[in-house]
Amino acid sequence: GENVEQHPSTLSVQEGDSAVIKCTYSDSASNYFPWYKQELGKRPQLIIDIRSNVGEKKDQRIAVTLNKTAKHFSLHITETQPEDSAVYFCALAGAGSYQLTFGKGTKLSVIP
Amino acid sequence: EAGVAQSPRYKIIEKRQSVAFWCNPISGHATLYWYQQILGQGPKLLIQFQNNGVVDDSQLPKDRFSAERLKGVDSTLKIQPAKLEDSAVYLCASSAFGTGEKLFFGSGTQLSVL
Repeated sequence: GENVEQHPSTLSVQEGDSAVIKCTYSDSASNYFPWYKQELGKRPQLIIDIRSNVGEKKDQRIAVTLNKTAKHFSLHITETQPEDSAVYFCALAGAGSYQLTFGKGTKLSVIP
Repeated sequence: EAGVAQSPRYKIIEKRQSVAFWCNPISGHATLYWYQQILGQGPKLLIQFQNNGVVDDSQLPKDRFSAERLKGVDSTLKIQPAKLEDSAVYLCASSAFGTGEKLFFGSGTQLSVL
């Protein structure tokens, strides 16, 4: 399957600050880029996704940006709150494969 | 809308024993996935079904893992015999799309192999 590298593996921010998580990939045929949030002991949940024909998408405090040329996409969380603390996974699917491949995750801690 | 149901929630077995997991997807979702999530890692796809047919099982260790989705609804994943390295959370997900989009995950089965 497609490889996706996710950084950082852990991230601590003060409440109210912004958090950015970045993922890079190698297959230019990848065309779907979702982000999942997994709270401790719970199921992964889709929080935002983007297709390759769009450069940016926002939903309230979260946004995803895609740079197809550089082959990376990022999750941006603004005005972080303690309930944003979780593990965030990027993922991607390619035009030639419908397999959704996940990154290794970023553990975000929002310090009150 | 009911979510993806999985059972059991936890399972502890000894190595070389067999185990089976069950999944009931969201009603109407044609695509069903089984993922393995080892502690500290992202989910890894084991098998993907479209209705009752296999779309992708390239990462399923077929010498010990098997899965079926009879009638295109419920699915079972079996491990026989289990190894220590199979200890993980087994997540089932379903989607109305067959393109990897909009997956809804179940709560998973946490398997411990001793």
